[in-house]
Amino acid sequence: QQQVKQSPQSLIVQKGGISIINCAYENTAFDYFPWYQQFPGKGPALLIAIRPDVSEKKEGRFTISFNKSAKQFSLHIMDSQPGDSATYFCAASRGRGSTLGRLYFGRGTQLTVWP
Amino acid sequence: GAVVSQHPSWVICKSGTSVKIECRSLDFQATTMFWYRQFPKQSLMLMATSNEGSKATYEQGVEKDKFLINHASLTLSTLTVTSAHPEDSSFYICSALLAGTYNEQFFGPGTRLTVL
Repeated sequence: QQQVKQSPQSLIVQKGGISIINCAYENTAFDYFPWYQQFPGKGPALLIAIRPDVSEKKEGRFTISFNKSAKQFSLHIMDSQPGDSATYFCAASRGRGSTLGRLYFGRGTQLTVWP
Repeated sequence: GAVVSQHPSWVICKSGTSVKIECRSLDFQATTMFWYRQFPKQSLMLMATSNEGSKATYEQGVEKDKFLINHASLTLSTLTVTSAHPEDSSFYICSALLAGTYNEQFFGPGTRLTVL
């Protein structure tokens, strides 16, 4: 079953607006939550990541909010730009055990930022 | 940041031939690499986990005899699609695990395989 659920599937935002993508997980053993950005025909690029010991992490215009009790995390893109138009994937992994580093991906969100 | 390369970036081959795709971690050593397959407008599907010096671990439903993986060094893993058929046409992406506090995974640029 899908271990990480992502929504929305697609998102259209006006330039300068805030883009918000949400993810939820079930496995409490997950301890690493990255977000990847993918442009058409390219491999995913690590955008920002968070560990469950903090509730928020900000890097430039990108912020991850993490709610451990609700098992949810979200990506906020402030001042969205047309160049942000891409597919975004959330993921989760665990740092221990035989599945070390294995990423469980959400289905992706196609973001379009209109100029 | 850590850089992962893939070669070739695209390949077209005839049905029945074999194709080898290379994945290299350029500025770090990776004991673990992963191979994914991605269909248009879909998420990444993990095919196998490749560990240096040992046999790859394949996900359920992935034919190990068709998708041969070799992780001969700490910076190189290869995926060979044997006896390729049109249904094997896809975007293949590798990633390398940067072991450490965060166990970050860095992806290659992908290889577009088209089987005629």
